[in-house]
Amino acid sequence: SQQGEEDPQALSIQEGENATMNCSYKTSINNLQWYRQNSGRGLVHLILIRSNEREKHSGRLRVTLDTSKKSSSLLITASRAADTASYFCATVLEGSGYSTLTFGKGTMLLVSP
Amino acid sequence: KAGVTQTPRYLIKTRGQQVTLSCSPISGHRSVSWYQQTPGQGLQFLFEYFSETQRNKGNFPGRFSGRQFSNSRSEMNVSTLELGDSALYLCASSLGWSREENTEAFFGQGTRLTVV
Repeated sequence: SQQGEEDPQALSIQEGENATMNCSYKTSINNLQWYRQNSGRGLVHLILIRSNEREKHSGRLRVTLDTSKKSSSLLITASRAADTASYFCATVLEGSGYSTLTFGKGTMLLVSP
Repeated sequence: KAGVTQTPRYLIKTRGQQVTLSCSPISGHRSVSWYQQTPGQGLQFLFEYFSETQRNKGNFPGRFSGRQFSNSRSEMNVSTLELGDSALYLCASSLGWSREENTEAFFGQGTRLTVV
C-alpha cells in the first residue's frame, strides 16, 4: 500500500499564483522527498527534508514537515506554466537501511498562462 | 555527468512472453531500484540492488526478477507476461545508504511496456 497520500489529487491555477500540495504518511520516516514528473517521463528530484528538520527552501520551493502529524507540504511560489507536472512525495522509512522510496499517488498541477 | 539510461524506451509484447529491461545508473552510484508505475496503482517499488545484491524487494510475484552486474548496471525480467503488467517501468540510481542525502534518487526516462 502507498505510504504517502497527496492532497489535492489535482490542482489548477494561473501563472503567478502559489501552489500548495500536501502529503500524509503512515509510519516513522528517515526523510521525505518531493519529486516532479512531466507527462509520463522520469521523475526529477526536487527537495529532501530530514525527519529532524521542519522547513526547507530551494528556489521557489518551500517544504515543511510535521512529524507529529505525519504530514508534509510543498509550496511552489510564483508558479509558471513550466511547473505543470505531477508532484509526488516519497518517504524513506526510519531505520530501513535501504534507499527504497515509498511514493504517494501524486498531485497533478496545471498552471495556465 | 551522464544520467540514468533505460533501454528500450518502448516495448510491445504478447501475453505469455518474457521481457528484459536494462538500466545503466549514474557513474559511481551503487544502488539501483526499480519501480512500476500504472494509472491505478501509482508508483510501486519492485526491488533494490546494491553492489550486486538484492537488499529489498517489493510485493510483486516471482515472475518479476532482477539482477545487478559488477559495473552496477541492472536488468529486470518479467516472465509469463500478463495484460496487467502493462506499465511504465522506472529505474532509479543513488549512491546508496550511508547518509540521508545518499537516498536522493535519479530516475531514468522509463521503459513503457505494453502487453497485448
